[in-house]
Amino acid sequence: AQTVTQSQPEMSVQEAETVTLSCTYDTSESNYYLFWYKQPPSRQMILVIRQEAYKQQNATENRFSVNFQKAAKSFSLKISDSQLGDTAMYFCAFMKHNAGNMLTFGGGTRLMVKP
Amino acid sequence: GAGVSQSPSNKVTEKGKDVELRCDPISGHTALYWYRQSLGQGLEFLIYFQGNSAPDKSGLPSDRFSAERTGGSVSTLTIQRTQQEDSAVYLCASSFDQETQYFGPGTRLLVL
Repeated sequence: AQTVTQSQPEMSVQEAETVTLSCTYDTSESNYYLFWYKQPPSRQMILVIRQEAYKQQNATENRFSVNFQKAAKSFSLKISDSQLGDTAMYFCAFMKHNAGNMLTFGGGTRLMVKP
Repeated sequence: GAGVSQSPSNKVTEKGKDVELRCDPISGHTALYWYRQSLGQGLEFLIYFQGNSAPDKSGLPSDRFSAERTGGSVSTLTIQRTQQEDSAVYLCASSFDQETQYFGPGTRLLVL
């Protein structure tokens, strides 16, 4: 079974600053996907970024980027130029490569962006 | 286009009653997932549908929980004889490529 750990229950950052959210996972799989989802108070889970394990290049989406360290089983999310709208719960998630597999989520990190 | 929709948004019920939660996936998405989000257990997988294949029910916590997907589109999650520990947010997600899942806004269930 896979496990996903987010060691930071809460974090805060000043607007326009950079923040990094940590995620580690444990798996015996060699091919898989990793995701970061954002959940604002509206409850809607929004996909932030996705990484395929077979790709060495770190994924980036505008202000969001990841540091994927496969050997260390680490998948951190960096948010640059933080905005007030980034305030939300952030969940790291793992999915085996085989089609149709479910997501395994970490416990989440609550991020507060302060003006 | 329209995203995943779920209804009702909120549901309050009495212990012992049955409830039905509905999910409308994104049009054309063949895979549909149900998850439960609770304070004590975090986000847990419940059940997965793919086309006309038999669903993966491995995450259902008890036989009080069941789900169906009619016509490969809309899905209904049914909880019979609800218990207080069933109180949670129930999230539905759909996927076109079975790789990336897109979530609905969830149904918050409160069992009194």
